[in-house]
Amino acid sequence: DTAVSQTPKYLVTQMGNDKSIKCEQNLGHDTMYWYKQDSKKFLKIMFSYNNKELIINETVPNRFSPKSPDKAHLNLHINSLELGDSAVYFCASSHPTGKYNEKLFFGSGTQLSVL
Amino acid sequence: DAKTTQPNSMESNEEEPVHLPCNHSTISGTDYIHWYRQLPSQGPEYVIHGLTSNVNNRMASLAIAEDRKSSTLILHRATLRDAAVYYCILRARGDNYGQNFVFGPGTRLSVLP
Repeated sequence: DTAVSQTPKYLVTQMGNDKSIKCEQNLGHDTMYWYKQDSKKFLKIMFSYNNKELIINETVPNRFSPKSPDKAHLNLHINSLELGDSAVYFCASSHPTGKYNEKLFFGSGTQLSVL
Repeated sequence: DAKTTQPNSMESNEEEPVHLPCNHSTISGTDYIHWYRQLPSQGPEYVIHGLTSNVNNRMASLAIAEDRKSSTLILHRATLRDAAVYYCILRARGDNYGQNFVFGPGTRLSVLP
């Protein structure tokens, strides 16, 4: 009964393709996130959604489009993939009772390799 | 942005205590100190957090300096499973929805049998 699950775990694709990563959480949380971990292991937020509404959209190219069909799901669609998109993408969720004080629960990541 | 500095790597022997330091000299009065860890091929997992007082939970203890410019994560008895990258992160009171929740390179802890 994984709390935050994302699929696929590995994604290898050619430059220019369009791909999606799916994320689901069964924790009843209101807020979901997408993070990107680059080759230097820095983990930075890309998007956050609260109750299906976009809250945070960091300086991410328009080719990245998150979609939240309901508050348990946050999918990430990437158009026209580029070599620089290769990274590990993590989905996370939290329950914003204390907001700044909340714990984040992460999925196990999707390793995207663009060839 | 409030920033933290941590050693790149540390080593410990199994079943011995480990003290992981974090410097955050620019911390503001309302910043919380969070620790997460990332096991190999996993997403980060929450370890502990605190504001001013020392904190204990089943995973670890957090010792916060009186001036709050540094903190130390204490693993009381390291096990092989504790080998991971440990991240020290400051989270401001107004930092809702994670906009400034940035994980730096962290400290890679190796545990020797």
